[in-house]
Amino acid sequence: SQQGEEDPQALSIQEGENATMNCSYKTSINNLQWYRQNSGRGLVHLILIRSNEREKHSGRLRVTLDTSKKSSSLLITASRAADTASYFCATELSGTYKYIFGTGTRLKVLA
Amino acid sequence: EPEVTQTPSHQVTQMGQEVILRCVPISNHLYFYWYRQILGQKVEFLVSFYNNEISEKSEIFDDQFSVERPDGSNFTLKIRSTKLEDSAMYFCASSFTQGRTEAFFGQGTRLTVV
Repeated sequence: SQQGEEDPQALSIQEGENATMNCSYKTSINNLQWYRQNSGRGLVHLILIRSNEREKHSGRLRVTLDTSKKSSSLLITASRAADTASYFCATELSGTYKYIFGTGTRLKVLA
Repeated sequence: EPEVTQTPSHQVTQMGQEVILRCVPISNHLYFYWYRQILGQKVEFLVSFYNNEISEKSEIFDDQFSVERPDGSNFTLKIRSTKLEDSAMYFCASSFTQGRTEAFFGQGTRLTVV
């Protein structure tokens, strides 16, 4: 598997439901960031979690990081149609100056 | 809120031509990056830049590519002789530090090579 793989690849839920996306990675990281991308548009930064942190919240977003399992999850609570987008995790590898992006989860929230 | 800005938003160029993609990073940021995303594919790292030199580059970033910070505000990516496979969305990003702070991305430049 590659550094930074999200699952599921696609997720379709009803408005008001929670959406959970997972990201797995292979090597040691400094931090992990989640981004949102609307179709054909830019990457919007959502949240950063450092390697020594386990959980962070920002509004309706909750991110967890388990460095022993090399995985992270992004939870969007009470989803809205406007949350429809692709979500990517990006890991900053220890000792490097780059972020490696995952394959992304395409989230569709149905009104 | 400060943001990374990229120009142009869309560029069409003929194969073999040189293109320069421009970025204005967030003003107090020190680390700069270029990424690309071929349609429907992953976002791929191209190069990182700090203290006026390349910190790291990927195998995609071959001799056809170069980066420059010509003044205190702009950060450019030049492709010397474009190929069809260079068609992609190119994203610029910046961060204040390495390892501890967020990396913010621009809206991207869609490059189409015909």
